[in-house]
Amino acid sequence: DSGVTQTPKHLITATGQRVTLRCSPRSGDLSVYWYQQSLDQGLQFLIQYYNGEERAKGNILERFSAQQFPDLHSELNLSSLELGDSALYFCASGLGTGFYEQYFGPGTRLTVT
Amino acid sequence: GQQLNQSPQSMFIQEGEDVSMNCTSSSIFNTWLWYKQDPGEGPVLLIALYKAGELTSNGRLTAQFGITRKDSFLNISASIPSDVGIYFCAGHSWGKLQFGAGTQVVVTP
Repeated sequence: DSGVTQTPKHLITATGQRVTLRCSPRSGDLSVYWYQQSLDQGLQFLIQYYNGEERAKGNILERFSAQQFPDLHSELNLSSLELGDSALYFCASGLGTGFYEQYFGPGTRLTVT
Repeated sequence: GQQLNQSPQSMFIQEGEDVSMNCTSSSIFNTWLWYKQDPGEGPVLLIALYKAGELTSNGRLTAQFGITRKDSFLNISASIPSDVGIYFCAGHSWGKLQFGAGTQVVVTP
């Protein structure tokens, strides 16, 4: 158990819909990272927040957005969903701003039908 | 998609054998990372490499940061059944993190 929690564990929705994935970091961690893992694209870094501010941006689509709240939990919003958005979405947390000491959550499996 | 070439794609080995995998890129990275992912779980960081030429060990794992900063390898010595999983390399530079496609390792007794 990494100490990072993600909800929900599974999500099934239809094309065109909007969903919100939630992540609670380990106690004391200030950074939250979001990743997408799919068979087509593999593991991809989406975005990082540090202490409420966007820190680094990866391959995140314009239809996706994220935020980190004052209590440091984070949400990833996915809108206008397409079939190709079906994937595992991981959240990771870390104490600092780097990518080195990250602890991954168990993931949310999103299925778009 | 990935810009890192990770090979081999999969390996079937016997317990006790050594495992070797590598990643190459057309881009230079400041840091190389190696992760292991078990089924149904998120990746776990195994080794982080910060300098070109650096050789780092973590138990039976050894990884090296290539001198050109465009490649890295990971060795697992004397494999055991719990080494089963998917191993990913990742290169980091300028706020960007890119992953390889993974090497699936299967260990048979």
